[in-house]
Amino acid sequence: NAGVTQTPKFRVLKTGQSMTLLCAQDMNHEYMYWYRQDPGMGLRLIHYSVGEGTTAKGEVPDGYNVSRLKKQNFLLGLESAAPSQTSVYFCASSYPQTAYEQYFGPGTRLTVT
Amino acid sequence: AQKITQTQPGMFVQEKEAVTLDCTYDTSDQSYGLFWYKQPSSGEMIFLIYQGSYDEQNATEGRYSLNFQKARKSANLVISASQLGDSAMYFCAMREVQTGANNLFFGTGTRLTVIP
Repeated sequence: NAGVTQTPKFRVLKTGQSMTLLCAQDMNHEYMYWYRQDPGMGLRLIHYSVGEGTTAKGEVPDGYNVSRLKKQNFLLGLESAAPSQTSVYFCASSYPQTAYEQYFGPGTRLTVT
Repeated sequence: AQKITQTQPGMFVQEKEAVTLDCTYDTSDQSYGLFWYKQPSSGEMIFLIYQGSYDEQNATEGRYSLNFQKARKSANLVISASQLGDSAMYFCAMREVQTGANNLFFGTGTRLTVIP
C-alpha cells in the first residue's frame, strides 16, 4: 500500500516550457487535490477533483490545468511555465466525509528559471 | 480575510515540556472541521489530529490534544512531553462543509524547535 505517490520528485524548467506532474493513490479515494506551498504562505489549493472525470478550480488555478481520467490518478499540467510557479507541489486524496483527513504525497520541488 | 491565522512564526520548547501552538479561524459555517498537520524537515505532511465543530469534547491523539474554544474560534494544538522529533513546522487547517469537496484552508504555520 503505497498511499499517495508523486512523479517526479524534482524538476527544473526553463520559462515557457511545459510539464505534467503525476499523482497516484491506491486508497480508492474519491477526492483528489493539488496544492502549492510557497515560503511563509502555507499550502494553497490549485485544483481539485471529486471523482473520475471531474475537476474544479481552487484558490490559485491560473496557469495550471488538471485531468482525472482514472480514479486513482490526478494530473497537474503547466502549459507555459513561469518563474512565479517555482514552488513545492503537493498532491492529496481523501474520502468524501468531513471527518476524514487528507493524505498527502511527498511533494514535487519545481524550479522555473 | 484569512480563514486560518497562526500568529506564532516560531516557538521554542524545552524537551519534556508542554507547548501550545495557536490557531484561530474565521468561518460563518456552522459545520466545519479543524485539522493539524506536521511537516518535518523531510517535507512530508503528516496528519496529527481532527476536531469537528459539533464535537463536545476536545480531541486527543496520544501526546497531542486540541484545545477547541468555539466561541473564541480558536483551535490550539497542545503537545505534551515534547521530544526532539517534534521539531517541525505545524499547520492548522480548516474544512468548511459548504465547500462540498473537503477543501482545506491552511494557515502559514508555526516552526517548533525542541531544545535538548
